Amino acid sequence: QVQLVQSGAEVKKPGASVKVSCKASGYTFTGYYLQWVRQAPGQGLEWMGWINPNSGGTNYAHKFQGRVTMTRDTSISTAYMELNRLRSDDTAVYYCARGSSSGRAVANLYWGQGTLVTVSS
Amino acid sequence: EIVLTQSPGTLSLSPGERATLSCRASQSVSSSYLAWYQQKPGQAPRLLIYGASSRATGIPDRFSGSGSGTDFTLTISRLEAEDFAVYYCQQYGSSRTFGPGTKVDIK
Repeated sequence: QVQLVQSGAEVKKPGASVKVSCKASGYTFTGYYLQWVRQAPGQGLEWMGWINPNSGGTNYAHKFQGRVTMTRDTSISTAYMELNRLRSDDTAVYYCARGSSSGRAVANLYWGQGTLVTVSS
Repeated sequence: EIVLTQSPGTLSLSPGERATLSCRASQSVSSSYLAWYQQKPGQAPRLLIYGASSRATGIPDRFSGSGSGTDFTLTISRLEAEDFAVYYCQQYGSSRTFGPGTKVDIK
């Protein structure tokens, strides 16, 4: 079965960076785009971007361009999302998600369990 | 960027009632690349509807989606206890954006 298992909670100081991992299993890692979505406490969902694990190509939401980097390691079927210059309003649960089928324009059927990133001095 | 607006913000209904949720886009959503998700506290979102009207695997038929262009609707024909949650629409045709959500709570 498809599983996306994310790394554990992080506490960071303002200005620092965080790198969240998403380990995929149960399918061919390079066959499906992975999205990153975040949710601040009590707020809605916010799309951050996607990575094509096959090519390494990425597309970031305008809001995060210059501050986010999405990468992958195909040898261990793991995707990463690194966010730099953290601010208090980056405190959120970060999710990775995979589409229901291959291709870029696909809704997200499978989700990781979420990783809480807390930014606090 | 396509902006999605959802209404109402909160919908207070009783079990067995019909729920109608609206999602409006600031510009046309290409190829009806519009999805609906359900989210309960402490859980990841769950895909309900994709392509504006196709139910995801395992989703009960009391959930239905409709619409095209800029206006979309999620209908829950008869609310059950487990349906009280927050619902988000998402367009995935031009980059991706989510709506702000509609909370369906018990009246």
